[in-house]
Amino acid sequence: AQSVTQLDSQVPVFEEAPVELRCNYSSSVSVYLFWYVQYPNQGLQLLLKYLSGSTLVKGINGFEAEFNKSQTSFHLRKPSVHISDTAEYFCAVTMDTGRRALTFGSGTRLQVQP
Amino acid sequence: GAVVSQHPSRVICKSGTSVKIECRSLDFQATTMFWYRQFPKQSLMLMATSNEGSKATYEQGVEKDKFLINHASLTLSTLTVTSAHPEDSSFYICSAPVSGSEQFFGPGTRLTVL
Repeated sequence: AQSVTQLDSQVPVFEEAPVELRCNYSSSVSVYLFWYVQYPNQGLQLLLKYLSGSTLVKGINGFEAEFNKSQTSFHLRKPSVHISDTAEYFCAVTMDTGRRALTFGSGTRLQVQP
Repeated sequence: GAVVSQHPSRVICKSGTSVKIECRSLDFQATTMFWYRQFPKQSLMLMATSNEGSKATYEQGVEKDKFLINHASLTLSTLTVTSAHPEDSSFYICSAPVSGSEQFFGPGTRLTVL
């Protein structure tokens, strides 16, 4: 079984400042890692994913994440946030073989202030 | 990219009634679909895996007699909440794996039981 921990439930940040949303996972098998964004009353939109290869993954909207196997982390970063980035962000993991249901973290609310 | 739709997007019903939620893959076939539930300000929790042509697989703690899942075709899975009660009020989201690691989510259905 896998588990995902998002250490920060809320992250307030000023517009144009950098941000990092933290994610740690636990799994006994190899995994794929994902970050999703959810705007109010909407479904999930994929920001980026790590499957294999380069540990630095670039996604949409200027976000990137780095897979660190030794620290079992997959932190999400953006060098300069916008008001429109205000949303809920979910880190998720799935096994790299077989069933592909996702296990989600508890989410981090990114609040960008002017 | 692949599209997954859900219908209805929002439903309000009286306690004791049943509600059916549809999840469709619009431009691809999905032998498997996943149903998640999200309570307010919480993460997504996997409820069940819907399998075309066979019985759904339910997660521990999810009542199969209350949450009926039918995967009638390669593009349609339905979730019926039977004898709904206020505690069933939630955001229900379906997803379908497309290939390897990719998984597409529906926009979600907001269920409110009065």
